[in-house]
Amino acid sequence: AIQLTQSPSSLSASVGDRVTITCRASQGINSALAWYQQKPGKAPKFLIYDASSLEGGVPSRFSGSGSGTDFTLTISSLQPEDFATYYCQQFNTYPHTFGPGTKVGIK
Amino acid sequence: VQLVESGGGLVKPGGSLRLSCAASGFFFSDYYMSWIRQAPGKGLEWLSYISSSGSSIHYADSVKGRFTISRDNAKNSLYVQMNSLRAEDTAVYYCARCRLDSRGWYHLGLDYWGQGALVTVSS
Repeated sequence: AIQLTQSPSSLSASVGDRVTITCRASQGINSALAWYQQKPGKAPKFLIYDASSLEGGVPSRFSGSGSGTDFTLTISSLQPEDFATYYCQQFNTYPHTFGPGTKVGIK
Repeated sequence: VQLVESGGGLVKPGGSLRLSCAASGFFFSDYYMSWIRQAPGKGLEWLSYISSSGSSIHYADSVKGRFTISRDNAKNSLYVQMNSLRAEDTAVYYCARCRLDSRGWYHLGLDYWGQGALVTVSS
């Protein structure tokens, strides 16, 4: 199975900061990667698909990039509602594994 | 789009439980569907997916042979039958709709999720 690692596992940031989260796959997955945001007690929210395509209704401060094994999720200017845990998921090969998550907290 | 899970609860180790996911607001029979779970305080774990017709199914190794995914397109419902349950199966179980590319060949993501159903396996 393809393993996904995320770094950092957690970070503290301030409103207005630029935040970058990395997701690395154990083998190449082309661009078959999605990103989700999850807040405590809530279901995940779909943010980005195909590594860099923004889901409709998602603010443009979110962006994704990468292909192959290395991917990033960037929040250009962190807003109060962005404090959450972020997960990547690969769709290149079954099982469609998730990364372990990155918790974005308030500094 | 709405997905509503039901059937969660407390079950003893070795027992069985069937979760349902009622779908509305979209043509259920056109979409692939998945089950995902999240143990308390842990990350997301993909469990299974089923194609729109039910003809293609995949499972995570952790549940293969114990869990069975199915669907009833006439009832707009997705199911997972969980047998031989273990303490480590304790989690919130989510159903989610699969987004495919325009040709219907590749998975792009899980675009809508239910609110989750809690399953607790304990004696």
